[in-house]
Amino acid sequence: QKEVEQNSGPLSVPEGAIASLNCTYSDRGSQSFFWYRQYSGKSPELIMFIYSNGDKEDGRFTAQLNKASQYVSLLIRDSQPSDSATYLCAAPSLNSGYSTLTFGKGTMLLVSP
Amino acid sequence: DAGVTQSPTHLIKTRGQQVTLRCSPKSGHDTVSWYQQALGQGPQFIFQYYEEEERQRGNFPDRFSGHQFPNYSSELNVNALLLGDSALYLCASSGALANYGYTFGSGTRLTVV
Repeated sequence: QKEVEQNSGPLSVPEGAIASLNCTYSDRGSQSFFWYRQYSGKSPELIMFIYSNGDKEDGRFTAQLNKASQYVSLLIRDSQPSDSATYLCAAPSLNSGYSTLTFGKGTMLLVSP
Repeated sequence: DAGVTQSPTHLIKTRGQQVTLRCSPKSGHDTVSWYQQALGQGPQFIFQYYEEEERQRGNFPDRFSGHQFPNYSSELNVNALLLGDSALYLCASSGALANYGYTFGSGTRLTVV
Protein backbone atom coordinates (compact mmCIF):
# COMPACT_ATOMS: atom_id res chain seq x y z
CA GLN A 1 0.00 0.00 0.00
CA LYS A 2 1.33 3.42 -0.94
CA GLU A 3 1.91 5.82 1.91
CA VAL A 4 -0.41 8.51 0.56
CA GLU A 5 -3.19 7.87 -1.95
CA GLN A 6 -5.49 10.18 -3.83
CA ASN A 7 -7.92 9.83 -6.70
CA SER A 8 -6.38 11.47 -9.76
CA GLY A 9 -9.69 12.90 -10.94
CA PRO A 10 -10.48 15.14 -12.59
CA LEU A 11 -13.11 16.33 -10.16
CA SER A 12 -15.45 18.70 -11.94
CA VAL A 13 -17.67 21.10 -10.01
CA PRO A 14 -19.66 24.17 -11.05
CA GLU A 15 -18.71 27.60 -9.80
CA GLY A 16 -20.09 28.23 -6.31
CA ALA A 17 -20.29 24.56 -5.36
CA ILE A 18 -18.35 22.74 -2.65
CA ALA A 19 -15.39 20.70 -3.88
CA SER A 20 -14.39 17.74 -1.73
CA LEU A 21 -10.91 16.26 -2.15
CA ASN A 22 -9.90 13.10 -0.34
CA CYS A 23 -6.68 11.42 0.72
CA THR A 24 -5.86 8.23 2.63
CA TYR A 25 -2.60 7.36 4.30
CA SER A 26 -1.03 4.17 5.57
CA ASP A 27 1.18 5.25 8.48
CA ARG A 28 -0.82 5.41 11.70
CA GLY A 29 2.07 7.33 13.26
CA SER A 30 1.66 10.31 10.94
CA GLN A 31 0.95 13.40 12.97
CA SER A 32 0.60 16.13 10.37
CA PHE A 33 -0.88 16.44 6.92
CA PHE A 34 -0.49 19.00 4.23
CA TRP A 35 -2.50 20.16 1.26
CA TYR A 36 -0.64 21.81 -1.60
CA ARG A 37 -2.18 23.48 -4.62
CA GLN A 38 -0.32 23.24 -7.91
CA TYR A 39 -1.29 25.18 -10.98
CA SER A 40 -0.29 23.69 -14.30
CA GLY A 41 3.42 24.14 -14.92
CA LYS A 42 3.99 25.77 -11.53
CA SER A 43 5.41 24.52 -8.24
CA PRO A 44 3.27 23.36 -5.30
CA GLU A 45 2.00 25.99 -2.86
CA LEU A 46 1.07 25.10 0.72
CA ILE A 47 -2.56 26.01 1.39
CA MET A 48 -3.51 24.04 4.51
CA PHE A 49 -2.00 21.83 7.16
CA ILE A 50 -3.68 19.93 9.97
CA TYR A 51 -2.35 18.15 13.05
CA SER A 52 -5.39 17.32 15.12
CA ASN A 53 -8.46 15.21 14.57
CA GLY A 54 -11.43 17.22 13.40
CA ASP A 55 -11.76 20.26 11.21
CA LYS A 56 -9.53 23.23 10.54
CA GLU A 57 -10.93 26.17 8.64
CA ASP A 58 -9.10 28.92 6.77
CA GLY A 59 -11.29 31.13 4.64
CA ARG A 60 -13.02 29.02 2.00
CA PHE A 61 -10.84 26.01 2.82
CA THR A 62 -11.56 23.37 5.47
CA ALA A 63 -9.23 20.47 6.18
CA GLN A 64 -10.67 17.44 7.94
CA LEU A 65 -8.64 14.73 9.65
CA ASN A 66 -9.88 11.37 10.86
CA LYS A 67 -6.95 9.45 12.34
CA ALA A 68 -9.00 6.37 13.17
CA SER A 69 -9.91 5.99 9.51
CA GLN A 70 -6.54 7.30 8.28
CA TYR A 71 -8.33 9.79 6.11
CA VAL A 72 -7.79 13.47 5.42
CA SER A 73 -9.90 15.69 3.22
CA LEU A 74 -9.99 19.21 1.86
CA LEU A 75 -13.25 21.06 1.29
CA ILE A 76 -13.35 24.16 -0.86
CA ARG A 77 -16.51 26.19 -0.40
CA ASP A 78 -17.86 28.59 -3.05
CA SER A 79 -15.47 27.12 -5.63
CA GLN A 80 -14.09 29.58 -8.16
CA PRO A 81 -12.60 28.96 -11.62
CA SER A 82 -9.30 30.18 -10.14
CA ASP A 83 -9.38 27.13 -7.83
CA SER A 84 -8.88 24.90 -10.87
CA ALA A 85 -5.58 23.18 -10.14
CA THR A 86 -4.11 19.92 -8.92
CA TYR A 87 -4.31 19.41 -5.17
CA LEU A 88 -1.57 17.34 -3.56
CA CYS A 89 -1.89 15.64 -0.21
CA ALA A 90 1.34 15.03 1.71
CA ALA A 91 2.46 13.51 5.00
CA PRO A 92 5.84 13.10 6.71
CA SER A 93 7.30 9.73 5.77
CA LEU A 94 7.84 7.06 8.39
CA ASN A 95 10.65 5.62 6.29
CA SER A 96 12.66 8.82 6.69
CA GLY A 97 12.00 9.28 10.37
CA TYR A 98 9.50 11.97 9.38
CA SER A 99 12.16 14.22 7.90
CA THR A 100 10.72 14.08 4.38
CA LEU A 101 7.26 14.46 2.88
CA THR A 102 5.57 11.80 0.79
CA PHE A 103 3.08 13.11 -1.74
CA GLY A 104 0.05 11.58 -3.32
CA LYS A 105 -0.36 11.74 -7.09
CA GLY A 106 -2.71 14.68 -6.75
CA THR A 107 -6.35 15.29 -7.66
CA MET A 108 -7.11 17.62 -10.52
CA LEU A 109 -9.99 19.99 -9.78
CA LEU A 110 -11.87 21.72 -12.57
CA VAL A 111 -14.29 24.49 -11.64
CA SER A 112 -16.54 25.50 -14.50
CA PRO A 113 -18.04 29.03 -14.71
CA ASP B 1 12.35 37.55 3.18
CA ALA B 2 13.51 35.60 0.15
CA GLY B 3 11.75 32.33 -0.47
CA VAL B 4 13.32 29.34 -2.17
CA THR B 5 15.12 30.23 -5.36
CA GLN B 6 15.98 27.77 -8.11
CA SER B 7 17.97 28.14 -11.27
CA PRO B 8 17.74 27.80 -14.15
CA THR B 9 14.01 27.98 -14.86
CA HIS B 10 14.17 25.92 -18.02
CA LEU B 11 16.83 23.72 -19.53
CA ILE B 12 17.12 21.64 -22.68
CA LYS B 13 19.81 18.96 -22.79
CA THR B 14 20.76 16.12 -25.10
CA ARG B 15 20.76 12.47 -24.05
CA GLY B 16 24.03 11.50 -22.41
CA GLN B 17 24.83 15.00 -21.23
CA GLN B 18 25.17 16.11 -17.64
CA VAL B 19 23.16 18.82 -15.88
CA THR B 20 23.44 20.81 -12.64
CA LEU B 21 20.47 22.46 -10.99
CA ARG B 22 20.79 24.92 -8.13
CA CYS B 23 18.72 25.88 -5.12
CA SER B 24 18.93 28.42 -2.33
CA PRO B 25 16.65 27.64 0.62
CA LYS B 26 14.35 30.01 2.41
CA SER B 27 15.99 32.10 5.11
CA GLY B 28 16.02 30.17 8.39
CA HIS B 29 15.76 26.75 6.72
CA ASP B 30 18.70 24.37 6.85
CA THR B 31 17.33 21.33 5.04
CA VAL B 32 16.97 20.96 1.29
CA SER B 33 15.00 18.20 -0.42
CA TRP B 34 14.88 17.53 -4.13
CA TYR B 35 11.90 16.07 -5.95
CA GLN B 36 11.26 14.98 -9.52
CA GLN B 37 7.77 15.49 -10.89
CA ALA B 38 6.84 13.87 -14.16
CA LEU B 39 3.79 15.09 -16.03
CA GLY B 40 0.59 14.03 -14.31
CA GLN B 41 2.38 12.56 -11.29
CA GLY B 42 3.01 13.67 -7.75
CA PRO B 43 6.50 14.77 -6.72
CA GLN B 44 8.89 11.85 -6.21
CA PHE B 45 11.56 12.21 -3.55
CA ILE B 46 15.13 12.12 -4.86
CA PHE B 47 17.24 12.99 -1.80
CA GLN B 48 17.58 15.34 1.11
CA TYR B 49 20.55 17.29 2.41
CA TYR B 50 21.07 18.39 5.98
CA GLU B 51 24.30 19.69 7.52
CA GLU B 52 26.05 19.24 4.16
CA GLU B 53 25.34 15.50 4.13
CA GLU B 54 22.87 13.38 2.18
CA ARG B 55 20.50 12.37 4.96
CA GLN B 56 17.83 10.51 3.02
CA ARG B 57 17.64 9.11 -0.49
CA GLY B 58 14.71 7.94 -2.56
CA ASN B 59 14.66 5.27 -5.21
CA PHE B 60 16.81 7.02 -7.79
CA PRO B 61 19.98 5.73 -9.50
CA ASP B 62 23.48 6.91 -8.71
CA ARG B 63 23.35 9.12 -11.79
CA PHE B 64 21.55 11.52 -9.50
CA SER B 65 23.87 13.16 -7.01
CA GLY B 66 23.91 16.30 -4.98
CA HIS B 67 25.71 18.60 -2.69
CA GLN B 68 24.93 21.07 0.06
CA PHE B 69 27.16 24.04 0.79
CA PRO B 70 27.87 25.69 4.15
CA ASN B 71 25.32 28.43 3.36
CA TYR B 72 22.68 25.64 3.00
CA SER B 73 22.32 26.09 -0.76
CA SER B 74 22.29 22.90 -2.77
CA GLU B 75 22.97 21.44 -6.19
CA LEU B 76 21.40 18.49 -7.97
CA ASN B 77 23.55 16.81 -10.61
CA VAL B 78 22.29 14.30 -13.13
CA ASN B 79 24.79 12.41 -15.30
CA ALA B 80 24.21 10.48 -18.52
CA LEU B 81 20.81 12.03 -19.10
CA LEU B 82 18.00 9.85 -20.39
CA LEU B 83 14.82 10.91 -22.14
CA GLY B 84 12.95 9.74 -19.04
CA ASP B 85 14.73 12.32 -16.93
CA SER B 86 12.59 15.00 -18.54
CA ALA B 87 10.53 16.43 -15.68
CA LEU B 88 9.99 19.35 -13.35
CA TYR B 89 12.67 19.31 -10.66
CA LEU B 90 11.56 20.85 -7.41
CA CYS B 91 13.67 22.04 -4.54
CA ALA B 92 12.01 22.28 -1.15
CA SER B 93 13.42 23.76 2.01
CA SER B 94 12.38 23.10 5.57
CA GLY B 95 13.58 22.76 9.12
CA ALA B 96 15.22 19.50 10.19
CA LEU B 97 11.86 17.72 10.38
CA ALA B 98 9.08 17.89 7.82
CA ASN B 99 6.38 18.30 10.43
CA TYR B 100 5.86 21.93 9.48
CA GLY B 101 5.85 21.29 5.75
CA TYR B 102 8.03 22.45 2.93
CA THR B 103 8.47 25.64 1.00
CA PHE B 104 9.02 24.92 -2.68
CA GLY B 105 11.02 26.82 -5.22
CA SER B 106 9.55 27.61 -8.61
CA GLY B 107 11.17 24.52 -10.13
CA THR B 108 13.42 23.77 -13.08
CA ARG B 109 11.81 22.30 -16.17
CA LEU B 110 14.33 19.91 -17.71
CA THR B 111 13.75 18.61 -21.21
CA VAL B 112 16.03 15.89 -22.55
CA VAL B 113 16.03 15.46 -26.31
